[in-house]
Amino acid sequence: QKEVEQNSGPLSVPEGAIASLNCTYSDRGSQSFFWYRQYSGKSPELIMFIYSNGDKEDGRFTAQLNKASQYVSLLIRDSQPSDSATYLCAAYLGGADGLTFGKGTHLIIQP
Amino acid sequence: GAVVSQHPSRVICKSGTSVKIECRSLDFQATTMFWYRQFPKQSLMLMATSNEGSKATYEQGVEKDKFLINHASLTLSTLTVTSAHPEDSSFYICSARSPPDTQYFGPGTRLTVL
Repeated sequence: QKEVEQNSGPLSVPEGAIASLNCTYSDRGSQSFFWYRQYSGKSPELIMFIYSNGDKEDGRFTAQLNKASQYVSLLIRDSQPSDSATYLCAAYLGGADGLTFGKGTHLIIQP
Repeated sequence: GAVVSQHPSRVICKSGTSVKIECRSLDFQATTMFWYRQFPKQSLMLMATSNEGSKATYEQGVEKDKFLINHASLTLSTLTVTSAHPEDSSFYICSARSPPDTQYFGPGTRLTVL
């Protein structure tokens, strides 16, 4: 079965530290990977997408992709309390039209 | 990023009535849109994939006669919850696929059926 796996957490990180969120996926042929942030009671908001192996940086966020290990991660530098949310990893699996989402990691940034 | 709107944002209705939710891509054309449902403290559940000009594809366990989807144009998809019951109360979220392959979400519609 095609899957995207995430640790549900909660992951607690002190303010100012680096938060590291991890995700694995089952389809070796997947090419596109996405990270969304969802605040409680709100819809998901796209943070980053990554297609190539290696790192992709955007402000305080860095996405990392390792296709050989089927692993995607999201690093948040200088974590702020406003970063507290559920982070969803997503990928296109098996040629599907729609994204397959992980169950999300609940991140808590402690002031 | 691309903008997707949803209307209404919140609706309260009586049991047995039908509710229509609209999803619009405001600044791009979306041949494919998706409808999700999310219950409190649970993850997103894909209900159906909506393709412009053709019938929607429903996920296993989703009743197509209860959740009617119409994708009549490249910027509009509608979801109609027919004969709604309290167990249909949920947060309904649409998304639209912007070329080449990024999905953008609408703000969601919170449905409460009394």
